[in-house]
Amino acid sequence: GIQVEQSPPDLILQEGANSTLRCNFSDSVNNLQWFHQNPWGQLINLFYIPSGTKQNGRLSATTVATERYSLLYISSSQTTDSGVYFCAVVDTGGFKTIFGAGTRLFVKA
Amino acid sequence: EAQVTQNPRYLITVTGKKLTVTCSQNMNHEYMSWYRQDPGLGLRQIYYSMNVEVTDKGDVPEGYKVSRKEKRNFPLILESPSPNQTSLYFCASSLYRDVASGYTFGSGTRLTVV
Repeated sequence: GIQVEQSPPDLILQEGANSTLRCNFSDSVNNLQWFHQNPWGQLINLFYIPSGTKQNGRLSATTVATERYSLLYISSSQTTDSGVYFCAVVDTGGFKTIFGAGTRLFVKA
Repeated sequence: EAQVTQNPRYLITVTGKKLTVTCSQNMNHEYMSWYRQDPGLGLRQIYYSMNVEVTDKGDVPEGYKVSRKEKRNFPLILESPSPNQTSLYFCASSLYRDVASGYTFGSGTRLTVV
């Protein structure tokens, strides 16, 4: 099955810093999503981005499907950005969703 | 308010005692799915359903059952829970299986089996 690898596994930032999170996947996929899990465990959909670039406020994402990776950019980080960021892909059969192990982000005030 | 509702939020049970975790969505979504989250492993898909009476196994279906008799409900059943099923469980739904609209997740159920 498809393998999804995220890096780095852990990241500590000073408030105001920028960061890039990476998601590599091992095969062609139907779509890719980025999620944020806040410290209380709630999962929030950030981007649906099978290809191209999207932006939402301080967050943006780019997926290069032909090279099998996606990047999540966080600019001017805030303490509320802390939590775990997951990417997830759907296999080309279109049914199963595979999550990466996540990047745990801590933003210091 | 559009949401996915899971119950209970917390559950401690004993090995072998059958339990059901309920999941309900009010968005008329076709696709629903269950995941378990364990430290260092991310979320792993247990079962999914593409519509009423249509379900299929995810990556870790052993020890679980599901049913989809109504579009809005997708309960997760543990017939004989074991300690290795101690985990954080999430239900999710989306409008289409291609999830162009993105998943909506429930708040999670933390299950402990002793």
